[in-house]
Amino acid sequence: GAGVSQSPSNKVTEKGKDVELRCDPISGHTALYWYRQSLGQGLEFLIYFQGNSAPDKSGLPSDRFSAERTGGSVSTLTIQRTQQEDSAVYLCASSSPTVSLYTQYFGPGTRLTVL
Amino acid sequence: DAKTTQPNSMESNEEEPVHLPCNHSTISGTDYIHWYRQLPSQGPEYVIHGLTSNVNNRMASLAIAEDRKSSTLILHRATLRDAAVYYCILSQAGNNRKLIWGLGTSLAVNP
Repeated sequence: GAGVSQSPSNKVTEKGKDVELRCDPISGHTALYWYRQSLGQGLEFLIYFQGNSAPDKSGLPSDRFSAERTGGSVSTLTIQRTQQEDSAVYLCASSSPTVSLYTQYFGPGTRLTVL
Repeated sequence: DAKTTQPNSMESNEEEPVHLPCNHSTISGTDYIHWYRQLPSQGPEYVIHGLTSNVNNRMASLAIAEDRKSSTLILHRATLRDAAVYYCILSQAGNNRKLIWGLGTSLAVNP
């Protein structure tokens, strides 16, 4: 079946502009995660959605970052007033606790470049 | 949160076994050990996970030390497609939302 998809694959923006990154999880997966990966670094947890529960936003680095998940499926990560340090690859993952609590399936990521 | 320590890089020859070590001396009794890998320009890919006993699947084997303070990911026959960054990660039981990712081990496979 289809895996996790993300769009756009690449995004170049100017400092101060807002950007929206989209994630389509695997159908039926109730858990969705956003991570950020800076060049040469490991993944940094940003936010987690599980079903209808309140999201875990503890990883969001500032109030410029927000995310929503509509209808328990598609998620959008929004970065307002982008800064150069926001440049990174943003990765989305989904999982199905009823299938495998410990396996996350990742999308290919969105490479964000802030000029 | 318990952390892991891995070598920055390792090298192997094609069709030879590869043993990727991971130290996690502060692991708690309920922490699971996960391994993911990330091929160039791709998102991470699940490899294997375990708690106490050794685990085998299609991709690899996971050997966990008796005191659980270290583990080893074993690729039985490395192929060129196994060249990737391998991450050893811990998570608490029932709470894999916050996997703490280190820098991983960059594995090079020579033909």
